[in-house]
Amino acid sequence: DGGITQSPKYLFRKEGQNVTLSCEQNLNHDAMYWYRQDPGQGLRLIYYSQIVNDFQKGDIAEGYSVSREKKESFPLTVTSAQKNPTAFYLCASSIVGGGAYEQYFGPGTRLTVT
Amino acid sequence: GQQLNQSPQSMFIQEGEDVSMNCTSSSIFNTWLWYKQDPGEGPVLLIALYKAGELTSNGRLTAQFGITRKDSFLNISASIPSDVGIYFCAGQGGLTQGGSEKLVFGKGTKLTVNP
Repeated sequence: DGGITQSPKYLFRKEGQNVTLSCEQNLNHDAMYWYRQDPGQGLRLIYYSQIVNDFQKGDIAEGYSVSREKKESFPLTVTSAQKNPTAFYLCASSIVGGGAYEQYFGPGTRLTVT
Repeated sequence: GQQLNQSPQSMFIQEGEDVSMNCTSSSIFNTWLWYKQDPGEGPVLLIALYKAGELTSNGRLTAQFGITRKDSFLNISASIPSDVGIYFCAGQGGLTQGGSEKLVFGKGTKLTVNP
């Protein structure tokens, strides 16, 4: 089955610790995205990558970092510099070009920092 | 970042009723997408619209790409309990987005269906 996997589903960390969220896709998509979702809010873009070894900041990149060493993988690190890290994090992927812009989402990781 | 205006914020309906929700923007978009999110899960794509005026159906769901390219509508007919969830609209490719693959999301419409 093709799809996007995110792990773990729930993650708990102490304040001041960095934490890395995993995102893997086997859809052969070139583009991958990270979003943050807070209660009652829409999805806000953190980082995105359209090709291996390249990525761009989204609207709320401060306190986050990413890497894209493989086409299938786009891990997100929530650093201690992120002032309010507790949220639901969603990874998505899409093809690039061809006029199609559908993004497909993983199941999400709920991060709680205390 | 830019966000779309999605309304209503929430809806409480009886099973069997029809539902209508919409999304508006001050900017034009080239693509409109509608997603549904169940609690604690990722959004699932329902319908994609690529042409102004386009009307597309997916089962009991029908969505339209507004002729001005600044709005979109989603209708659900004969609602059932499993329609419960949050529905998001997303726009792509407007002038403010520089034609990139990035999506702009509305804040969602929370739908509750009473059996």
